[in-house]
Amino acid sequence: GAGVSQSPSNKVTEKGKDVELRCDPISGHTALYWYRQSLGQGLEFLIYFQGNSAPDKSGLPSDRFSAERTGGSVSTLTIQRTQQEDSAVYLCASSSAGGGYGYTFGSGTRLTIV
Amino acid sequence: AQSVTQLGSHVSVSEGALVLLRCNYSSSVPPYLFWYVQYPNQGLQLLLKYTSAATLVKGINGFEAEFKKSETSFHLTKPSAHMSDAAEYFCAVSVNQAGTALIFGKGTTLSVSS
Repeated sequence: GAGVSQSPSNKVTEKGKDVELRCDPISGHTALYWYRQSLGQGLEFLIYFQGNSAPDKSGLPSDRFSAERTGGSVSTLTIQRTQQEDSAVYLCASSSAGGGYGYTFGSGTRLTIV
Repeated sequence: AQSVTQLGSHVSVSEGALVLLRCNYSSSVPPYLFWYVQYPNQGLQLLLKYTSAATLVKGINGFEAEFKKSETSFHLTKPSAHMSDAAEYFCAVSVNQAGTALIFGKGTTLSVSS
């Protein structure tokens, strides 16, 4: 597509429920990244996919977080047994050749755990 | 490991005044450096990037940044602020074009008053 698309744009869910966040990157971009943005904390790296290589999961904060990328395109970030501290804006970005060329970001999913 | 420090979480200027947003980085190898801007309720947009070519980098909307290796800095400037420049600005560093994810600073909120 023309840009990075994320859905839903807003999600409110009860503590303890599972949530899935979707990212549709720019067509042809081989690299896809997930970040979490909390108030006053900047952007926290979560996970990085590059082509068919094993993803870099080093930023995932706990085993409740997981992500997959199917067919080298759409990615889903799943948070199991959500906690209130998971409330944040989750941003997805894609790039044609890795971080050195800069990313194109989606508008994010604002997740609120109640 | 690389890191980024943005000095000042909030900067206020008058319309027409100089804008200076500070960014210092830490990296054991030559870095790639970026500035992103985030307008309210939007994703991040790339302002400019340094990738080891000219040390003075010009970006969109009249912004520029200068890479100073001796000071490990990459400060963002604009000669004359506009009201439309009010946003949050993020500095980011990467050390590998096709590998590691960008590491972001915590951001600086720019306010512009008339």
